[in-house]
Amino acid sequence: EVQLVESGGGLVQPGRSLKLSCAASGFTFSDYNMAWVRQAPTKGLEWVASISYGGSNTHYGDSVKGRFTISRDNAKSTLYLQMDSLRSEDTATYYCARLEIHTMAMGVWGQGVMVTVSS
Amino acid sequence: DIQMTQSPASLSASLGETVTIECLASEDIYSNLAWYQQKPGKSPQLLIYDASSLQDGVPSRFSGSESGTQYSLEINSLQSEDAATYFCQQHHDYPFTFGSGTKLEIK
Repeated sequence: EVQLVESGGGLVQPGRSLKLSCAASGFTFSDYNMAWVRQAPTKGLEWVASISYGGSNTHYGDSVKGRFTISRDNAKSTLYLQMDSLRSEDTATYYCARLEIHTMAMGVWGQGVMVTVSS
Repeated sequence: DIQMTQSPASLSASLGETVTIECLASEDIYSNLAWYQQKPGKSPQLLIYDASSLQDGVPSRFSGSESGTQYSLEINSLQSEDAATYFCQQHHDYPFTFGSGTKLEIK
């Protein structure tokens, strides 16, 4: 079964850091570009970052550029999101997603992990 | 950045009816448009990619089309399980951007 499972969320103070993980299974992780998408409570979806299948190319949304870092370990089939200098507006459910081959649509999503930034 | 203007914000329709949701891209995205369905408390699910290609396992009552920079999602023969929020997303150029969502209620 193709599956993505996020972990690492929780409550963190403004200005602090947090690292999310996304464990992939059921497919060849190293064949796929991956992404993080977030959703603030009762709000819409916001694309956060993407990384190429080999890890050499990354892209970030304007709101997180310079503060968040996406990375991957293909040997461990795991995607990461290092979040630094967190702000209250980063409070959201964070989803990892698989970008489908031959298209960049997000065909597989994790269940999401909640990050709350508050003092 | 490419802006995606989605409408309507909400709609209500009866079982068996047909509804259409639209997204207008601020520039040409060359059919690189996806539609997602999200039910309360759940992760989004891909319905349509490349404007009109149906994702595996998605019922054929869902269809996508385009006219210039205007993209549409049509749902035929509405079922109760179609109650959800629908989002469009352009996957042509970074940063990828989503529409604001359409909440569909089934009467």
